Amino acid sequence: NAGVTQTPKFQVLKTGQSMTLQCAQDMNHNSMYWYRQDPGMGLRLIYYSASEGTTDKGEVPNGYNVSRLNKREFSLRLESAAPSQTSVYFCASRDLAGWASSYNEQFFGPGTRLTVL
Amino acid sequence: AQSVTQLGSHVSVSEGALVLLRCNYSSSVPPYLFWYVQYPNQGLQLLLKYTTGATLVKGINGFEAEFKKSETSFHLTKPSAHMSDAAEYFCAVSGPSGSRLTFGEGTQLTVNP
Repeated sequence: NAGVTQTPKFQVLKTGQSMTLQCAQDMNHNSMYWYRQDPGMGLRLIYYSASEGTTDKGEVPNGYNVSRLNKREFSLRLESAAPSQTSVYFCASRDLAGWASSYNEQFFGPGTRLTVL
Repeated sequence: AQSVTQLGSHVSVSEGALVLLRCNYSSSVPPYLFWYVQYPNQGLQLLLKYTTGATLVKGINGFEAEFKKSETSFHLTKPSAHMSDAAEYFCAVSGPSGSRLTFGEGTQLTVNP
């Protein structure tokens, strides 16, 4: 199992450019999440999807859109990048159902380091 | 609403010394509590979690944490620090439905030889 994978690993954009960050999980998890990590601020939730076909806003959704393409994939789109969106972006997934010992644990991808100039 | 406060953004210990990383939470419902570790340039991985039952929880790499409801705390400890423990540590809380995690701001642990 690859777990949670993210592409790309690094990206540099100019202000106003758009891009999509890709995330996929192979654990058959229902829920998927997008976070951004900034120094001294922990992880802040951008959007999440509790199940295929649903998405909800988190703490900091402005400037982002998401698509839950299928159960495996959850993408994050920046329509018009701004320097304030320079950050490290993490995707995570979680299995809502069942008695597994990982109940409520979120599994994280390796991150995408985005710089907006 | 839930929140987490991690006391001390940076903690420095000597190799072999006790590690204590503090976490206090606020939750209107019985909480689920987590500690995650992040090594440089990597994602987060779970160290340990408390959901119900025994309040002293043991995790990976010799870490443990104790849930104290009366103090709304979930401090992380390790009796003897190792150089490989140098990383950033995050405390997180969720409610019984567990849909969302709220993270603390993180504590950077430095281990000195």
